[in-house]
Amino acid sequence: AQRVTQPEKLLSVFKGAPVELKCNYSYSGSPELFWYVQYSRQRLQLLLRHISRESIKGFTADLNKGETSFHLKKPFAQEEDSAMYYCALRGETSGSRLTFGEGTQLTVNP
Amino acid sequence: NAGVMQNPRHLVRRRGQEARLRCSPMKGHSHVYWYRQLPEEGLKFMVYLQKENIIDESGMPKERFSAEFPKEGPSILRIQQVVRGDSAAYFCASSPRDKNTEAFFGQGTRLTVV
Repeated sequence: AQRVTQPEKLLSVFKGAPVELKCNYSYSGSPELFWYVQYSRQRLQLLLRHISRESIKGFTADLNKGETSFHLKKPFAQEEDSAMYYCALRGETSGSRLTFGEGTQLTVNP
Repeated sequence: NAGVMQNPRHLVRRRGQEARLRCSPMKGHSHVYWYRQLPEEGLKFMVYLQKENIIDESGMPKERFSAEFPKEGPSILRIQQVVRGDSAAYFCASSPRDKNTEAFFGQGTRLTVV
C-alpha cells in the first residue's frame, strides 16, 4: 500500500522567512514524488517532481529514501507563495495514478 | 490548448437524484483520471480510463458510481441516487500516455447534495 502524509494542515510564516512543508511517504518500491500547488480559485498544477531535481519559483525538494521524506523548502517566502500545497506519490505500477497527501495551507504574512 | 475542462463547476442535487460530471481532456490526451476530495481531506483516486476502457477502478465506490470515456466526447462520472456524503469536489486529470508523464488537472466540479 502507498501512503503520503503531510503532518501540517496549516502553516503560517512571515515574508522573507524560510519555509518547509513536510511530506513523508510509505511505499515498498521506488516511487516518484511530486509537489502540486493550488493557488486561490485556480486549478491544481505541478510545482516540481523529484526526478527533475530542479528549482521552481525558488522551491526545492529532495527525496530522502532513508527517512522516506520529500520536504518542500524555500529560503525566503513571498506573499504570492500563499496557497495549498499537496505532496503526491506515483508508484511503479500505477500508471499516472497519484496518491496525494491531505495538503498544507501555506499563508505568508506581510 | 484550453486545458482540461470540467463542467459544471458547481452542481447542486437533491438526495436521490443523479449527478453527471463531465471532463474534456487536453487535446491529444487519451488517459483520464478522476479524483474526489471530501471536505478537509486530500484528493483520493477513483478511476483511470483510456478511450472506451476502464483501466483501474479500484478507488470507485462499489455502488451508485460509474465512469466512462467514450470514443467521442468527454469522460463522464455518473453518481446515481446521490446522498449527502457524496458532497465533494471531483477533479479530473488527463495525460497523453500512462507512464512518466505529467497529469494536468481540471478546475474541478463541486457537488453539493441537499
